[in-house]
Amino acid sequence: QQQVKQSPQSLIVQKGGISIINCAYENTAFDYFPWYQQFPGKGPALLIAIRPDVSEKKEGRFTISFNKSAKQFSLHIMDSQPGDSATYFCAGLNTGGFKTIFGAGTRLFVKA
Amino acid sequence: SQTIHQWPATLVQPVGSPLSLECTVEGTSNPNLYWYRQAAGRGLQLLFYSVGIGQISSEVPQNLSASRPQDRQFILSSKKLLLSDSGFYLCAWSITPRDYEQYFGPGTRLTVT
Repeated sequence: QQQVKQSPQSLIVQKGGISIINCAYENTAFDYFPWYQQFPGKGPALLIAIRPDVSEKKEGRFTISFNKSAKQFSLHIMDSQPGDSATYFCAGLNTGGFKTIFGAGTRLFVKA
Repeated sequence: SQTIHQWPATLVQPVGSPLSLECTVEGTSNPNLYWYRQAAGRGLQLLFYSVGIGQISSEVPQNLSASRPQDRQFILSSKKLLLSDSGFYLCAWSITPRDYEQYFGPGTRLTVT
């Protein structure tokens, strides 16, 4: 019940294309859903986050779509660039607790 | 501004040897501290978290232990390393347990041979 399932495991997108990463959760107590971006050999860094009472959040080329009834959310990267090549983690957090539950990660490669 | 440090950056250790990884945070007081392990091509596994000096919660029973001797210092240790301990170890901090944003350090790449 604590899991966050993430897909695909890896993704190759052409420069200028749209990258889409999907996540599903089971714990309805989660009240924050952050996305982290990790470059090789570095620690993850927060990219964007959303609350479950919001259906969509956009920051620049990055958009989170959230479907509370389906317990699913996704990250869309518009106009994908080679510099976006990284591993992306979705996560769920119950702010009444102490743990952030991370998905397994998606390795994105944007071809120039 | 806040900064998180981890050292060493890389470490190669033989099976059965001890381990000590250190993490320190600057620019904040009483942070919540976390140790994660990331196996190759896999997600982040929470190992330990701490909400204060001497307060450690373990998420995964194994041959690792953690200590917090000072407010902004978090140490990950092992008495005898196993091959399965290899991985990328990340320290992170947050302002409060309820903050959704965690700030990660640069990580330590541990290879057990």
